Amino acid sequence: SQQGEEDPQALSIQEGENATMNCSYKTSINNLQWYRQNSGRGLVHLILIRSNEREKHSGRLRVTLDTSKKSSSLLITASRAADTASYFCATRQTGANNLFFGTGTRLTVIP
Amino acid sequence: NAGVTQTPKFRVLKTGQSMTLLCAQDMNHEYMYWYRQDPGMGLRLIHYSVGEGTTAKGEVPDGYNVSRLKKQNFLLGLESAAPSQTSVYFCASKSSGGLGDTQYFGPGTRLTVL
Repeated sequence: SQQGEEDPQALSIQEGENATMNCSYKTSINNLQWYRQNSGRGLVHLILIRSNEREKHSGRLRVTLDTSKKSSSLLITASRAADTASYFCATRQTGANNLFFGTGTRLTVIP
Repeated sequence: NAGVTQTPKFRVLKTGQSMTLLCAQDMNHEYMYWYRQDPGMGLRLIHYSVGEGTTAKGEVPDGYNVSRLKKQNFLLGLESAAPSQTSVYFCASKSSGGLGDTQYFGPGTRLTVL
């Protein structure tokens, strides 16, 4: 499979703590994206990092990319109960028209 | 803008029945995708389209057909439904061009095949 894998599969933290999720993938990529899915809903794009970038920020989100290790991490700082959702990484291989999604991390933020 | 909409939201079929799922987008996007989501497996690409009148196979195309007769619509057909096709189906779209790589997803269709 060309899917990425997220680690951990599930994460439970207290409100205000930071949450870190990791994604590993198998092939060389053009970019890596993170999506969020609330229960019973469609996916929503969070952030995109290109293969020539190492770190990117958006609000409380920080994404890193290490192409030599074929891995990425998503950090959510000062978590809130509303951050409870599943988070997916998705990669676009060089020259491809589509994304390959990982299996997701289910984050629970306890108020 | 409604974004990406999917019809129907829920459906129950018997084995062997056929149905069509409709995806519509009002963002003038060139690319459209159909995924299925099963527990513990993330999203898997069924078919996709890079423009009106074009379609291509994804990771798991068997048992499905698609059509893109109009730019704003992408139809997913099941000719003879099987219990293995019980899943949640998501449609997505994105614009063409180097910076337009974000996919916009519909709310999903939950399909049960008995």
